[in-house]
Amino acid sequence: AQSVTQPDIHITVSEGASLELRCNYSYGATPYLFWYVQSPGQGLQLLLKYFSGDTLVQGIKGFEAEFKRSQSSFNLRKPSVHWSDAAEYFCAGRPWGKLQFGAGTQVVVTP
Amino acid sequence: GAGVSQSPRYKVAKRGQDVALRCDPISGHVSLFWYQQALGQGPEFLTYFQNEAQLDKSGLPSDRFFAERPEGSVSTLKIQRTQQEDSAVYLCASQIGTSGREGTDTQYFGPGTRLTVL
Repeated sequence: AQSVTQPDIHITVSEGASLELRCNYSYGATPYLFWYVQSPGQGLQLLLKYFSGDTLVQGIKGFEAEFKRSQSSFNLRKPSVHWSDAAEYFCAGRPWGKLQFGAGTQVVVTP
Repeated sequence: GAGVSQSPRYKVAKRGQDVALRCDPISGHVSLFWYQQALGQGPEFLTYFQNEAQLDKSGLPSDRFFAERPEGSVSTLKIQRTQQEDSAVYLCASQIGTSGREGTDTQYFGPGTRLTVL
């Protein structure tokens, strides 16, 4: 079945350290891929998206993601995390119209 | 410009009650989606509207769930005879254009309605 998988349920990172969140997809054709962030009590906010072209995508809040077809991955990265980056992060694919979300990765930032 | 708004933000219902959840999309957005997010899970698709037409309701979990968008703007998700398993956050998203394989539009999400069924 077509889907998106986030292998890490929970990640703890120190403030100022780098962050990488993993996302794997299983779609027949090149998918449209997205990363969203959800803070407590907030709706989902789009960080970045990939449709085609350059495989390194820049997003808001200093995030970037790299599409790797050979690994079926679309990992999210940030060089230096801030305390305000503590949130839940969702990878999503869009094979047709509707979004298919992974289960999410909870990011905790420690001082 | 206002974003997507949803009301109520929180709803507590007794098992068996009917509930109605409202979504106000961004003005002029053609597409509207409903998603259900259970605790600790990612959102799951429920249904999709293009203007007033409900083009996809494949994600509605049972016939107790009903959605409408009669004038192509505000949408209501209704759940009849609520059950405990209906407890979740219900998210609404709108998109400026139609939705399909080649569409590149972004879906903008509201804050959600947290439904608790006792």
